[in-house]
This record gives sequence, structure tokens and C-alpha cells, in this order.
Amino acid sequence: EVHLVESGGDLVQPGRSLRLSCAASGFTFDDYAIHWVRQAPGKGLEWVSGISWNSGSIGYAGSVKGRFTISRDNAKNSLYLQMNSLRSEDTALYYCAKGTSGSGNSLRDVFDYWGQGTLVTVSS
Amino acid sequence: DIQMTQSPSSLSASAGDRVTITCQASQDINNYLNWYQQKPGKAPKLLIYDASKLETGVPSRFSGSGSGTDFTLTINSLQAEDIATYYCQQFDNVPLTFGQGTRLEIK
Repeated sequence: EVHLVESGGDLVQPGRSLRLSCAASGFTFDDYAIHWVRQAPGKGLEWVSGISWNSGSIGYAGSVKGRFTISRDNAKNSLYLQMNSLRSEDTALYYCAKGTSGSGNSLRDVFDYWGQGTLVTVSS
Repeated sequence: DIQMTQSPSSLSASAGDRVTITCQASQDINNYLNWYQQKPGKAPKLLIYDASKLETGVPSRFSGSGSGTDFTLTINSLQAEDIATYYCQQFDNVPLTFGQGTRLEIK
């Protein structure tokens, strides 16, 4: 059974940094692209970033480009999101989502499994 | 970026009704369109991929159609358990983008 477990969410002040992690199990992690999707309180879904199976393709939403960095460690079945220069508008529940795209380097993906999310609150 | 516009934003229907939610893309996305269901306090769940393909385990009362810029999610014979917010998502281009959501309530 596929499991995605996010961690690292916290209350942080504007301008500070935070690193999120996603631990994956139940599938061959290095066969698939993985993504971060966020949801601000009471709002809709927003794709944040994605990374292909071998880190050969990486993409970001315009709202986080230059501030957030996605990475993965296939040996540890883990995904990460380094978030710098955090803003109040980054406050959201951050989901890790498995893609269905495999050996290609495409990030054009379907999200077939999701974690339960980790909450990031940016406030002074 | 490709804009995805869903309508209606909210919808109230009775059990047993047929419900239709539409999603319009700002440009041709072929059939690169997915639908997700999100129940309160839960993570989203994939319902339909590639515009019309039913994800394994999803009840057959859910169906999807459309191509190009206009897409539809249909729920036949609405059940109380279908109370949720529904999102479309395009994967023709990065950044991947979602519709704003359609909140479905039972009368």
C-alpha cells in the first residue's frame, strides 16, 4: 500500500526558512515523479513544485520560484522542499503527491496518491 | 500559465440526482485533464484521469468527458457520500494548474 507522510511544518516568522520532508513507502520510489501541492486555509489547490524520478526535470510555480527548492533522495525514499524567504501567503497545508509519470523526465502528471499534509504557518 | 475555470462554484442537489460540473481551460489542453474529489479534512483523491478514464476503485456513477478546452464531470445518481469539493487539473503544460473548485452539497 502506498504511503506518503509529510513532516516539518511549523509556525515561522516572515523571511525565515523551513524544510519539509515527505517519506514514501509501498512503491518503487525512484520510478516516479513526485510533487508538492499546497492548500491555503479555506482555499483551493495550488501546485508548488515537482521533480522527475532522477531529478533531471524540476519545475516550480511562479509564486515560489527562486525561493523554494525541491529535491529528492532516492536511497532514502524521501522528497524535500526547502522554503526560504517565507511570506504570509505561503501559509498552507503542504501535500506530497505521487505522480504517474515514470521513466521519462516529464512533470506533466496525474497525482494518484497524496499524503495527509503538513501545515506551514507564516506569521509574526 | 493555463487558467482553469470551473462552474458552478457551488452546487446543491438531492440524492439520486444527476450532477454536472464543467471545467474550461484557457487554451487547448487536448485530453490532459484530471478530476479530484476532496472531502472535508481529507487529502484529495483522484477520480478521473486523461479526461475520461475512471481511476481504479472509483464508483462507476462518476464519469468524465470532453477534450480541447471544455470538460465535464458527471455524477449519476448522487449519493450522500459524494458531498465534497471537486477540482479539475490540467497537465498539458507546466506549471500544472487546478480549477478553483466546485463545492457540492446535498439538499
